[in-house]
Amino acid sequence: SQQGEEDPQALSIQEGENATMNCSYKTSINNLQWYRQNSGRGLVHLILIRSNEREKHSGRLRVTLDTSKKSSSLLITASRAADTASYFCATEGNNRLAFGKGNQVVVIP
Amino acid sequence: GAVVSQHPSRVICKSGTSVKIECRSLDFQATTMFWYRQFPKQSLMLMATSNEGSKATYEQGVEKDKFLINHASLTLSTLTVTSAHPEDSSFYICSARDQVSYNSPLHFGNGTRLTVT
Repeated sequence: SQQGEEDPQALSIQEGENATMNCSYKTSINNLQWYRQNSGRGLVHLILIRSNEREKHSGRLRVTLDTSKKSSSLLITASRAADTASYFCATEGNNRLAFGKGNQVVVIP
Repeated sequence: GAVVSQHPSRVICKSGTSVKIECRSLDFQATTMFWYRQFPKQSLMLMATSNEGSKATYEQGVEKDKFLINHASLTLSTLTVTSAHPEDSSFYICSARDQVSYNSPLHFGNGTRLTVT
């Protein structure tokens, strides 16, 4: 089954800095999605990038997708304390969404 | 935006009892819902895909007789953990899609924290 794998898994940054997370996958995909999860809560969808897209922006978020390398990155610019959360990439294929291990991001005020 | 309501948010039960978790799509119809399980500080593991009006599709290694899924309507799917044991203690999350399209995001419930004593 498809499995995204994020790198690094834990990131601690100062407020205002940028945070970058990477995700790799192994099989062909229809799209790749990034989600955020606050502790003990459900997941919130952040951004979806289709397999024929290379880059997408949404507010302070920037996602890239390199299908030749089977990898994606999520950049959060000008981080805020409220961005503290776990971030997961998920790849979709065969009507199944498989999640990576997640990145714990801590933004220090 | 699309809202998925999951209930209960927390449940504590005794070993051997059964627990039912509900997942409702509040403002859209969901022909497909997904049930995930998450252990502390780990990723989400897909347990099964719930299809309205038909049998759920279980992932390899997930016991269908232990985790009963019913998707009787376009807005409700239930997961019943039967004869619960302490190792079933986990965070269970449902999700649904509001369009019949692979290129639309999933909407997640807030999860159910199950503790089996």
